[in-house]
Amino acid sequence: NAGVMQNPRHLVRRRGQEARLRCSPMKGHSHVYWYRQLPEEGLKFMVYLQKENIIDESGMPKERFSAEFPKEGPSILRIQQVVRGDSAAYFCASSPSRRTGANEKLFFGSGTQLSVL
Amino acid sequence: EDKVVQSPLSLVVHEGDTVTLNCSYEVTNFRSLLWYKQEKKAPTFLFMLTSSGIEKKSGRLSSILDKKELSSILNITATQTGDSAIYLCAVTLTGTASKLTFGTGTRLQVTL
Repeated sequence: NAGVMQNPRHLVRRRGQEARLRCSPMKGHSHVYWYRQLPEEGLKFMVYLQKENIIDESGMPKERFSAEFPKEGPSILRIQQVVRGDSAAYFCASSPSRRTGANEKLFFGSGTQLSVL
Repeated sequence: EDKVVQSPLSLVVHEGDTVTLNCSYEVTNFRSLLWYKQEKKAPTFLFMLTSSGIEKKSGRLSSILDKKELSSILNITATQTGDSAIYLCAVTLTGTASKLTFGTGTRLQVTL
């Protein structure tokens, strides 16, 4: 039973380029969360998605950042026109359906380390 | 603003020692507190605590929540080098699904 899969593990971009980070949740999980971890800081919530719906994007920067979780395929976190301050580890997590009552226990992927030159 | 504070920030102990990590929170509408272990990759789940005073235990690790003091502790007995990691504390709030608010973590290093 594969865990949460993120790719790529490392992504290097020059300022102004676009970064696309992918996340496949655990099998049977329909909820996806994206978190960002800056150096020496804790994980910060960015966005919570279900299939084809953004449920909570209160942690997303207003500009340049977007996320989707299509009916088919992985969830994508997209950062346009990257700047050096976007350099961070981006973690995806998933949880089962809320109906199970177990949705608070998130399972995390190994993260994508984004470096902006 | 909701806040989760962990202490100490870092800790170095010898193998075999017992350590206690602290987490305190100032949040509205507290629902649960979770502990994660983060090595050089994915944070892995350790415990979820919702009720005050009930200890959760897994091997050499244990944790307890004190809702009156708005805090939790994570104990590790007979530490091993494999326990070296960042230990993260997070809380969830009612009405916010699984949006975790994390502390900055405690970096634990266990030496021989």
